[in-house]
Amino acid sequence: DIQMTQSPSSLSASVGDRVTITCRASQSISTYLNWYQQKPGQAPKVLIYSASRLQSGVPSRFSGSGSGTDFTLTISSLQPEDFATYYCQQSYSTSVTFGQGTKLEIK
Amino acid sequence: QVQLVQSGADVKKPGASVKVSCKASGYIFIDYYIHWMRQAPGQGLEWMGRIDPNSGGTIYPQKFQGRVSMTRDTSINTAYMELNRVKSDDTAVYFCAAAGAVLQRFDPWGQGTLVIVSS
Repeated sequence: DIQMTQSPSSLSASVGDRVTITCRASQSISTYLNWYQQKPGQAPKVLIYSASRLQSGVPSRFSGSGSGTDFTLTISSLQPEDFATYYCQQSYSTSVTFGQGTKLEIK
Repeated sequence: QVQLVQSGADVKKPGASVKVSCKASGYIFIDYYIHWMRQAPGQGLEWMGRIDPNSGGTIYPQKFQGRVSMTRDTSINTAYMELNRVKSDDTAVYFCAAAGAVLQRFDPWGQGTLVIVSS
């Protein structure tokens, strides 16, 4: 299986900050990488797909980049509703795998 | 609108089986795979496999092979996930999600079904 490693595991930031979360794959996955946001008690919601494509309805402060094994999710200016847990997911292999998650907390 | 609605919470004793349903609406059911994930309390997301509603074909990761079964009923646009011989560490919220065959971008998701395994 392809292993997905996110860093950091947790992050404290303030409203208005620029935040970057990274995701590394154990082998090349081209751009078959999706990012999700999950709030407590809710199902995850897709933010970015194919590494850099913004899902319809998602604010433009979210952006994604990368290819091969290294990927980033950037939030350009944190809003109160962005404090949540973020997951990357590879869709290169038919056997899907997720990163362990990054919890974004208010400083 | 496009949505997936799952069955309600369930409590099972160790060794029993649990079956969770996922009803699709607002799109053509056979056009998108249904994937199943779970999330243990305070933990991350774990992929359990997927079914192609058109053919009924399934793929399961090795961890769940022999213990999970995914089926579908196209007449009522519903997918099912059955987990056998449950144990306490199967306690989790179980999610279904739809995805295309290529991008495997999960959208939409069901609301989640809490399964508690306790004696």
